[in-house]
Amino acid sequence: DIQMTQSPSSLSASVGDRVTITCRASQRISSYLNWYQQKLGKAPKLLIYDASSLQSGVPSRFSGSGSGTDFTLTISSLQPEDFATYYCQQSYTIPLTFGGGTKVEIK
Amino acid sequence: EVQLVESGGGLVLPGGSLRLSCSGSGFTFSSYWMTWVRQAPGKGLEWVANIKKDGSEKYYVDSVRGRFTVSRDNAKNSLFLQMNSLRVEDTAVYYCAKDSGRKLTAFDYWGQGALITVSS
Repeated sequence: DIQMTQSPSSLSASVGDRVTITCRASQRISSYLNWYQQKLGKAPKLLIYDASSLQSGVPSRFSGSGSGTDFTLTISSLQPEDFATYYCQQSYTIPLTFGGGTKVEIK
Repeated sequence: EVQLVESGGGLVLPGGSLRLSCSGSGFTFSSYWMTWVRQAPGKGLEWVANIKKDGSEKYYVDSVRGRFTVSRDNAKNSLFLQMNSLRVEDTAVYYCAKDSGRKLTAFDYWGQGALITVSS
């Protein structure tokens, strides 16, 4: 199975900050990497698919990059509604696997 | 508007069975792979199973293979997860999700989730 490792597991940031979350795959997955946002008690929401494509309706302050084994989710200017947990997910092979999550908290 | 609504959650004894349903609307259900993802209390997301548009291909995570069965009824826009021989570690919120296009892909719409509690 492909292991997905996110870092950090949590971070504290202020409104307006630039935030970067990384995701590393245990083997090369081309660009088959997706990012989700999950707020407490809610279902996950797709933000970025295929490493860098912005899902329809998602604000442009969210961006993704990377290929192979190393990927990044960036929030260019953190907004109050962005405090949540973020997960990466590889869609390269079965079993599909998720990272452990990064919780973004208010500083 | 795409909507996915799960039903069938609840409390079940270890070794018991339960069937989850997911009703889809707002999209052509028969044109998309569908997926089940679960989340144990306070934990991360775990892919459980997926099923091809016509039901001819099904895949499972190792921990549920042989105990869970995914199926669908395209005429009723419905997805199912039959869960047998349930274990305490199967306790989780189960989400159904719509695949965004190809066989292995992102999940662009999710249901609200159904809580399954396996406990004596």
